[in-house]
Amino acid sequence: QVHLVESGGGVVQPGRSLRLSCAASGFTFSPYAMHWVRQAPGKGLEWVAMISFDGINKYYVDSVKGRFTISRDNSKSTVFLQMNSLRLEDTAVYYCAKNHGSGNYHYYGVDVWGQGTTVTVSS
Amino acid sequence: DIQMTQSPSSVSASVGDRVTITCRASEDIKTWLTWFQQKPGKAPNLLIYGAGTLHVGVPSRFRGSGSGTDFTLTISSLQPEDFASYFCQQASSFPHTFGQGTRVEI
Repeated sequence: QVHLVESGGGVVQPGRSLRLSCAASGFTFSPYAMHWVRQAPGKGLEWVAMISFDGINKYYVDSVKGRFTISRDNSKSTVFLQMNSLRLEDTAVYYCAKNHGSGNYHYYGVDVWGQGTTVTVSS
Repeated sequence: DIQMTQSPSSVSASVGDRVTITCRASEDIKTWLTWFQQKPGKAPNLLIYGAGTLHVGVPSRFRGSGSGTDFTLTISSLQPEDFASYFCQQASSFPHTFGQGTRVEI
């Protein structure tokens, strides 16, 4: 059974950093791109970033470009989100999600989500 | 960026009702549209991808249709477990933007 488990969330002051991890199991990790999606309290979903199956291509929403970095370790079936210069508006539940299609096929979006990890940016 | 406009933002319905949610893209996304269901405090679940393909295990009362810029999610006969929020997402180009969501309430 496909399983994604996020970790690394917590309470952090504005301007500080946090690194999220997402451990995957139940499927062969390396052929699939991976995504991060966030949801601010009481708000809708916001796609944050995607990393290709081989780690070469990375895409970000404008609001996090230059501050967040997505990466992966295929040997450990894990995807990461390094978040620097955190802002109050980055407060959210962060979900990692598996790309539906394998390889670079992103047109079907995501199919499996983790349970999320909460990031609170507060002074 | 492609803007996704979802409507209505909320709908009140009863068990057995037919519910229709629409999603409009700001430009042509062909059929690269996905629908998710989310219940409070839980991660979203995939319902439909490719605008009209039901994900495995999703009941047949859910139906997705549309192409280009206009899309529809229809629940043919609302069941108690369907009271939730629903989101559309385009996967045509990055960033993969979401609609604002529709809350289906009793």
